[in-house]
Parts: sequence; structure tokens; C-alpha cells
Amino acid sequence: DAGVTQSPTHLIKTRGQQVTLRCSPISGHKSVSWYQQVLGQGPQFIFQYYEKEERGRGNFPDRFSARQFPNYSSELNVNALLLGDSALYLCASSPVSGNEQFFGPGTRLTVL
Amino acid sequence: AQSVTQPDIHITVSEGASLELRCNYSYGATPYLFWYVQSPGQGLQLLLKYFSGDTLVQGIKGFEAEFKRSQSSFNLRKPSVHWSDAAEYFCAVDLWSQGNLIFGKGTKLSVKP
Repeated sequence: DAGVTQSPTHLIKTRGQQVTLRCSPISGHKSVSWYQQVLGQGPQFIFQYYEKEERGRGNFPDRFSARQFPNYSSELNVNALLLGDSALYLCASSPVSGNEQFFGPGTRLTVL
Repeated sequence: AQSVTQPDIHITVSEGASLELRCNYSYGATPYLFWYVQSPGQGLQLLLKYFSGDTLVQGIKGFEAEFKRSQSSFNLRKPSVHWSDAAEYFCAVDLWSQGNLIFGKGTKLSVKP
């Protein structure tokens, strides 16, 4: 069975640009969460979506937004990129809200 | 403030030696508890979890963890480390089963031959 997939694998952007990251959950999983992992730190929670509705939001500015589609895939958008947005962005899926989460390989975003 | 603490940033053990990685959390209630492992440039793999019941939980790859309510701890152990265990280990909690994992800063494990 396919695990959580994320695209693209790597991305290089310049300050002020916008970026969209994509995530496909494990088949049958309806909850998707997004995390930001800065080098040398643990992941930080950004968003959780369940059944296409936002169920939780971490302490991130409004430049960060996300959505979940009817097929339960998800996109994370970041506007007006800052150097500090450079990080590994991880997507995780779970069958129902709150159960154990299964992580994808991440998207490495570099902002120059 | 609510937090997850992994006091050891970097640990080096010899192959075949035992391992214990520490994790403490500061929350009033008992959250759901997890240990994840991350190899360089990779995503996170779940090693084990504690929701309730038996305080000693078994995971994959020969790892186990013990929940101690009195110490607010959830330490990860392995009796005999293999070179392939070299990676970064993260403890995480999920308060109120909300699907919002709070991670510690991680412990990097190096294994000496």
C-alpha cells in the first residue's frame, strides 16, 4: 500500500514569492496535518484538516493557509515567503482525527 | 508552558550496548504519547505509542517505552543497539486526541562500531 506522498521533493524560491505544497494521504485516511521542521528542531504543527474542514491551527501567521479536497488530498500555501520559512514541510495522515499519524517524506523548501 | 523535553541533544553508544532516551512532558492530564524516528533527509516513522493501559509498550525494531505518570516521563529503550539505529529520535504528545502533535527537539543517536 502506498504511504503518504508529497510533492515536490525539493523547492527553491526567493523572498516574497508564493509556494504551494501538495500531499496525498494514505488511502482511507480522512485527516491530514501539516508540520514545519526547521533544521535542528522538532516538527511544529501548522494545520489539521478532517473531512475537508480545518480542525486545528498552530501558531503560524496568516501567510500560511491550507485546504483539503474531496479526495482528502491537501495543499499548503505560503505567501510572501521569508528566509525563515526555509524548512522541511511534513504532511501526516490518520484515519480519524487524533489517531496515530503517518508521515510523508516531506518537501524541502529553501527560500533565498 | 506546556512542553515536551528531550534533555539529551546527542547520545553516542557502542553497537550492542543498551539505550535509553529520555522524554518528559509538562501537561496536567496524560496525553497520548509517541516516539518517532527520523533518518537524515527522511520523514518520520512511528516507533511506538501509548494511549492507555499497560505502561510498558512494545514497538517496532525492538524498541520499548515505559510511561511513568508520577514522573511525567515516557522513556524509550532498546536492549541492544544496531548500527542501523543511528538516527534522530523524537518524542511527541497529542493532547486531548486532537491530532496536533507537539514534538520535543529530538535526540540524535550515533552508534560506534
